[in-house]
Amino acid sequence: KAGVTQTPRYLIKTRGQQVTLSCSPISGHRSVSWYQQTPGQGLQFLFEYFSETQRNKGNFPGRFSGRQFSNSRSEMNVSTLELGDSALYLCASSPGLLSSYEQYFGPGTRLTVT
Amino acid sequence: QKEVEQNSGPLSVPEGAIASLNCTYSDRGSQSFFWYRQYSGKSPELIMSIYSNGDKEDGRFTAQLNKASQYVSLLIRDSQPSDSATYLCAGLISSGSARQLTFGSGTQLTVLP
Repeated sequence: KAGVTQTPRYLIKTRGQQVTLSCSPISGHRSVSWYQQTPGQGLQFLFEYFSETQRNKGNFPGRFSGRQFSNSRSEMNVSTLELGDSALYLCASSPGLLSSYEQYFGPGTRLTVT
Repeated sequence: QKEVEQNSGPLSVPEGAIASLNCTYSDRGSQSFFWYRQYSGKSPELIMSIYSNGDKEDGRFTAQLNKASQYVSLLIRDSQPSDSATYLCAGLISSGSARQLTFGSGTQLTVLP
């Protein structure tokens, strides 16, 4: 089975711009979660989507948003970029079953805001 | 207050030794725990999941869960230099119907040849 894929892998943006990141989960997985990883804050939960619905959201400002499509692919968007948004953005997929919550991470998108 | 705490390390062990990584959690309702390994510049890789009290073994890895003490650990036997990485402990936190994985800050392990 192919793993989780994320595009693009690297991105450089300027303050004030917006960015869209894409994630394709493992085939058959219906849940997609997004995380931000920085050296200072570690791995922080952004949001989770299941069957095109946002199931949970972390403590991030409204500039961070996401969506999920009917094929379970997901996108996240960050508007009005700030320098502090520079981070590794990770997508993780899971079958979404209540009995199991094993999440498998993609390679990540490294975002640099200048 | 961080809901999942790890001994931050760094931890160094000689090749062939047992590496012990520890994690505590504050939410008594947490049911499931996971250990991820993250090599420098890479994304986290799931290596163990544990859902009930006791030990779970998989090859050289043993995860231990003690819900009464709110403690999770990972033992790596016969440590190899290739085990050198950051190990992340994660707990499944539930709030109503919403659930999320909460990660510790990670323990950096170095296995010395």
